Amino acid sequence: DTEVTQTPKHLVMGMTNKKSLKCEQHMGHRAMYWYKQKAKKPPELMFVYSYEKLSINESVPSRFSPECPNSSLLNLHLHALQPEDSALYLCASSQEVQGYRDNQETQYFGPGTRLLVL
Amino acid sequence: GIQVEQSPPDLILQEGANSTLRCNFSDSVNNLQWFHQNPWGQLINLFYIPSGTKQNGRLSATTVATERYSLLYISSSQTTDSGVYFCAVSTRDTGGFKTIFGAGTRLFVKA
Repeated sequence: DTEVTQTPKHLVMGMTNKKSLKCEQHMGHRAMYWYKQKAKKPPELMFVYSYEKLSINESVPSRFSPECPNSSLLNLHLHALQPEDSALYLCASSQEVQGYRDNQETQYFGPGTRLLVL
Repeated sequence: GIQVEQSPPDLILQEGANSTLRCNFSDSVNNLQWFHQNPWGQLINLFYIPSGTKQNGRLSATTVATERYSLLYISSSQTTDSGVYFCAVSTRDTGGFKTIFGAGTRLFVKA
């Protein structure tokens, strides 16, 4: 099973709302990632978790708060977002961030959450 | 930081044609991956290829790490090949490894 699931598929929220995005994988992967993708642009890395610890934060504003409760689950908590935060939010996982065998760093992506901030 | 450039930015093919997509990167990398993003936004990993050549059906990829480029070959293209093809590289950064995507090649295959 090479599936990464994300919920919800779509989310509309106001600037004063608090919401959370959820990502789950059951492949035993130890690295999980959040990306943000604006229309007609490539995905941009936001956060990397390795063994449930945050290893990379790409200077993301504090209104985005990641959480990794266990090795299968990754959340992104959203608070006081701006309209420019509207985008496709993608979650990915890999066996390792840096592997020692071929393909351990291969990233598998979920279908994404399309977020609209009004 | 590292620069990742993909060419061409846009490509229109007749069904059955072959094509070559290129990815240049400005510094040494730990790994390189090719992805296909379908019109619904789903990213599918095509190849993990930090060096060498791999083939999977009508697709093949070659990375020449010493010369800092990778090529993705699509043969006998089909309409379902349409979408955006991204090259993504991973490099060591403070705190760990980060992945950087190129701008992509947008492919449309006409029936």
